[in-house]
Amino acid sequence: NAGVTQTPKFQVLKTGQSMTLQCAQDMNHNSMYWYRQDPGMGLRLIYYSASEGTTDKGEVPNGYNVSRLNKREFSLRLESAAPSQTSVYFCASSEGRGRLTEAFFGQGTRLTVV
Amino acid sequence: DQQVKQNSPSLSVQEGRISILNCDYTNSMFDYFLWYKKYPAEGPTFLISISSIKDKNEDGRFTVFLNKSAKHLSLHIVPSQPGDSAVYFCAASAGYQLIWGAGTKLIIKP
Repeated sequence: NAGVTQTPKFQVLKTGQSMTLQCAQDMNHNSMYWYRQDPGMGLRLIYYSASEGTTDKGEVPNGYNVSRLNKREFSLRLESAAPSQTSVYFCASSEGRGRLTEAFFGQGTRLTVV
Repeated sequence: DQQVKQNSPSLSVQEGRISILNCDYTNSMFDYFLWYKKYPAEGPTFLISISSIKDKNEDGRFTVFLNKSAKHLSLHIVPSQPGDSAVYFCAASAGYQLIWGAGTKLIIKP
């Protein structure tokens, strides 16, 4: 079982470049999430999609956009990368439409902006 | 303002003994709490959860305790095994969002 698949695993960008992080889940989950994790901190929610066709801002949405392409796929776009966006990015999915309980995570994308 | 705090960045425990990981929260609106385990270069994996209507939940070697009056929860691992060496995150659910602690690195010594 693939679960949640993120691509790429590693990326180095120059300041001002753009890129899209891809995420797909094969568990037929309704909700999907993008998090970032920085050293010494917990995961912080960037955006989430409670169901296909909807997206909402999380705790740290500035500098990012998302697209819920279909039920399986949820992408995260950096339009103009900045060094402050150097982080490890995790995509996650969960079954529920209401409460967030157990979420399944991808392996992460380690992004460095120079 | 950290709403979920794990005050111990790391913890070292002898194999076979009990590991106790602690977590404090400030928001009384949180009503569901989760523990995740994370190995290097992998995403977090769900371990165990507890609803605020309970004060204890067990799953094999893992038990989570919730003290609502103290806004404190703890994860007990008994007995600790080498494969338990990982970073443990506690998280509190607020609707669609999970608010995460910074994690505790657990090291199980042989």
